[in-house]
Amino acid sequence: GAGVSQSPSNKVTEKGKDVELRCDPISGHTALYWYRQSLGQGLEFLIYFQGNSAPDKSGLPSDRFSAERTGGSVSTLTIQRTQQEDSAVYLCASSLARKGAFILAKNIQYFGAGTRLSVL
Amino acid sequence: GQQVMQIPQYQHVQEGEDFTTYCNSSTTLSNIQWYKQRPGGHPVFLIQLVKSGEVKKQKRLTFQFGEAKKNSSLHITATQTTDVGTYFCPNFGNEKLTFGTGTRLTIIP
Repeated sequence: GAGVSQSPSNKVTEKGKDVELRCDPISGHTALYWYRQSLGQGLEFLIYFQGNSAPDKSGLPSDRFSAERTGGSVSTLTIQRTQQEDSAVYLCASSLARKGAFILAKNIQYFGAGTRLSVL
Repeated sequence: GQQVMQIPQYQHVQEGEDFTTYCNSSTTLSNIQWYKQRPGGHPVFLIQLVKSGEVKKQKRLTFQFGEAKKNSSLHITATQTTDVGTYFCPNFGNEKLTFGTGTRLTIIP
């Protein structure tokens, strides 16, 4: 597609429910990132996918959070048993970067508009 | 990897005043990127600096990369309300580029 697409744009859920957030990166981009941004805060790194390599999950805050990337394209971030502190905007970004080949211009990240998650 | 600290975390200026944010590293950086996030929006790439001492301009924005490639600055001349937002210089480490808190600029009309 023309840009990174995220859905839904807004999600309201009840505490304890599971949610799935979707990210459709720019076609051909091998790298995909998930970030979380609480109100008025910076970007908190969650997880990074690079091609067929094992994802870097070092930023996931708890085992309630998981993500997968099917076929090297679309990614889904799943939050199980949501808590009120999970309320935030979840941003996805993609880039052309390839593992082991840090080519400067290809490391520009392109962000989606985000999913605003509200846990009641 | 590159660990970059950004200062200040917040800056409030009167419209028309200048604004500068700095990114500093204890190690030599291979390059540095700058992004801007408007309130309610998502980060957008502004520029990439690669060469020692490099200076690039985008209208009222001036980006500099230090001679030692350990620091960078973004300077905005005569701020306008459209400059409001958070400016980021992400870190590169462990083969990934990650964002931190950035510098949040607010403009007092």
